[in-house]
Amino acid sequence: AQSVTQLGSHVSVSEGALVLLRCNYSSSVPPYLFWYVQYPNQGLQLLLKYTTGATLVKGINGFEAEFKKSETSFHLTKPSAHMSDAAEYFCAVSYQAGTALIFGKGTTLSVSS
Amino acid sequence: DTEVTQTPKHLVMGMTNKKSLKCEQHMGHRAMYWYKQKAKKPPELMFVYSYEKLSINESVPSRFSPECPNSSLLNLHLHALQPEDSALYLCASSQEDDTQYFGPGTRLTVL
Repeated sequence: AQSVTQLGSHVSVSEGALVLLRCNYSSSVPPYLFWYVQYPNQGLQLLLKYTTGATLVKGINGFEAEFKKSETSFHLTKPSAHMSDAAEYFCAVSYQAGTALIFGKGTTLSVSS
Repeated sequence: DTEVTQTPKHLVMGMTNKKSLKCEQHMGHRAMYWYKQKAKKPPELMFVYSYEKLSINESVPSRFSPECPNSSLLNLHLHALQPEDSALYLCASSQEDDTQYFGPGTRLTVL
């Protein structure tokens, strides 16, 4: 079965520090890849996505992710963390339109001042 | 505009009640989804409607009954729920590129 692994259920950074959230997927066939953010008691907001084309994808709020097929990875980064980035982050993959997204277990990002 | 709206935001119901959750999108998306999310967990798919027809039912108990009256609306009818059904219920929609856009969710509490 296809799966998504997010390394680190909890990541803590200082304000202004680099944010790195890791995501690996298990498939030899490149899927569509997504990062979502969820603030407390809210729905999921799309941060960025990779479907085809350029492997470095820029998203909202200064986040970006790089698709590395050889490493089956899609890690999320942000050069400088802000307090407002504190939230739950989900990596997800899709192999077929109109079916379920396969989610990782999520990573809670904490940002301290 | 990538907005999916859901009503109500919060719902408290007893185990004998009948209630409905509503989801609406005006992006012309042809697929709509219901997910259930428990605390500290990722969303779990319940149902998928594609072109207003139910295409996926992830073995969801019959006390949950989905309905898609038209291409913009998706309902989830609830009856005789159990306390363990308390969760955040998320609606999403997508177009052919399969990017799913989520609504804000309905926080359901079953007493």
